[in-house]
Amino acid sequence: GAGVSQSPRYKVAKRGQDVALRCDPISGHVSLFWYQQALGQGPEFLTYFQNEAQLDKSGLPSDRFFAERPEGSVSTLKIQRTQQEDSAVYLCASSLVFWGGNQPQHFGDGTRLSIL
Amino acid sequence: KQEVTQIPAALSVPEGENLVLNCSFTDSAIYNLQWFRQDPGKGLTSLLLIQSSQREQTSGRLNASLDKSSGRSTLYIAASQPGDSATYLCAVGTGANSKLTFGKGITLSVRP
Repeated sequence: GAGVSQSPRYKVAKRGQDVALRCDPISGHVSLFWYQQALGQGPEFLTYFQNEAQLDKSGLPSDRFFAERPEGSVSTLKIQRTQQEDSAVYLCASSLVFWGGNQPQHFGDGTRLSIL
Repeated sequence: KQEVTQIPAALSVPEGENLVLNCSFTDSAIYNLQWFRQDPGKGLTSLLLIQSSQREQTSGRLNASLDKSSGRSTLYIAASQPGDSATYLCAVGTGANSKLTFGKGITLSVRP
């Protein structure tokens, strides 16, 4: 398809397990963002890639969170030793260019993560 | 730190009404402002993007305005329809990569 694709759509894990969430951005999009959306809240920024370079990871809540985009296209967000507070929807977005202003971010449908 | 506020949290209107959704932000040093729609269990659909140098953007029945100096934006929806029922989120883009800071959204219900 032409949009941002995320998988899995739903993930249930036990506390302490590791999880990996995948994002396929729109083909040719340079910028890729990860956001975390808690129930009833707006999304919050986690990290940003320009091609394969992770230029901003200021929003990652702890060192248990790790993201990569090794070939500048598909990205994976990994959460180690999951905690209940990690339960949220994780959204991926991509945009065509890396300089600010004139290009919208396009979002996937997200991965709903539930930690038991 | 940039903060984005959307009030009220929820709004219910009869079909056909014209309505205005408000958004305010604390730091006027933004690159752009984007309005999104979110349906339950879904991701965000981009509705309109206003660059910092622009005052407004229009798409169909939607019009968004931006007053950067006062830290305000409005989304105007003309002749509302039940299909417009959704949560509307305002987000401002800051920094060279335009990472977005979101409000909590306004949940709109349009009654037939």
